[in-house]
Amino acid sequence: KQEVTQIPAALSVPEGENLVLNCSFTDSAIYNLQWFRQDPGKGLTSLLLIQSSQREQTSGRLNASLDKSSGRSTLYIAASQPGDSATYLCAVRSAQGGSEKLVFGKGMKLTVNP
Amino acid sequence: SQTIHQWPATLVQPVGSPLSLECTVEGTSNPNLYWYRQAAGRGLQLLFYSVGIGQISSEVPQNLSASRPQDRQFILSSKKLLLSDSGFYLCAWSRGGASISPLHFGNGTRLTVT
Repeated sequence: KQEVTQIPAALSVPEGENLVLNCSFTDSAIYNLQWFRQDPGKGLTSLLLIQSSQREQTSGRLNASLDKSSGRSTLYIAASQPGDSATYLCAVRSAQGGSEKLVFGKGMKLTVNP
Repeated sequence: SQTIHQWPATLVQPVGSPLSLECTVEGTSNPNLYWYRQAAGRGLQLLFYSVGIGQISSEVPQNLSASRPQDRQFILSSKKLLLSDSGFYLCAWSRGGASISPLHFGNGTRLTVT
């Protein structure tokens, strides 16, 4: 059974820091990995999608990497801003259990202080 | 472009009352559709998913049911709500038949059962 873990559960940093958010998964036979952002009381917004054949994806100040063999992904946020404060979730789509479904981590709550 | 609509945004219902949450997707055909629940302190729990009209897969046996009467319409229902049904319900879609497709979420419905 695929399991996704995000540690730590929360992080508080001063504005301007470069951040690394971690995501690990137990079954490396994945189709893709997706990073989401969730603001309080809102739905999830897709940030980046990395296919299993890719090593990384970039969008603006965000860069996500994927290391399938070690079962890890990182989301790098450059020059963090207070507007980056949110909960960040990663999810994997894998062959285990059916490709129609994603398995989510519990998320990491990020607070960027001005 | 594709959009997903989910309503209502908030709902307060007494125990034992029925429930109907609706989700529609625009701008795509034959999407995969999903209902997730997010409870406080817990991750996203997949409740139901559908790969086509009338095709519903249930992930967790519970007090809820789902239906897909039309290609881009997904409904979550209950005949009698329980206190434990309280939570944040999220509808999502991905491109049908493509395991590499990203998942896109609606804005969610906050359900409080009193």
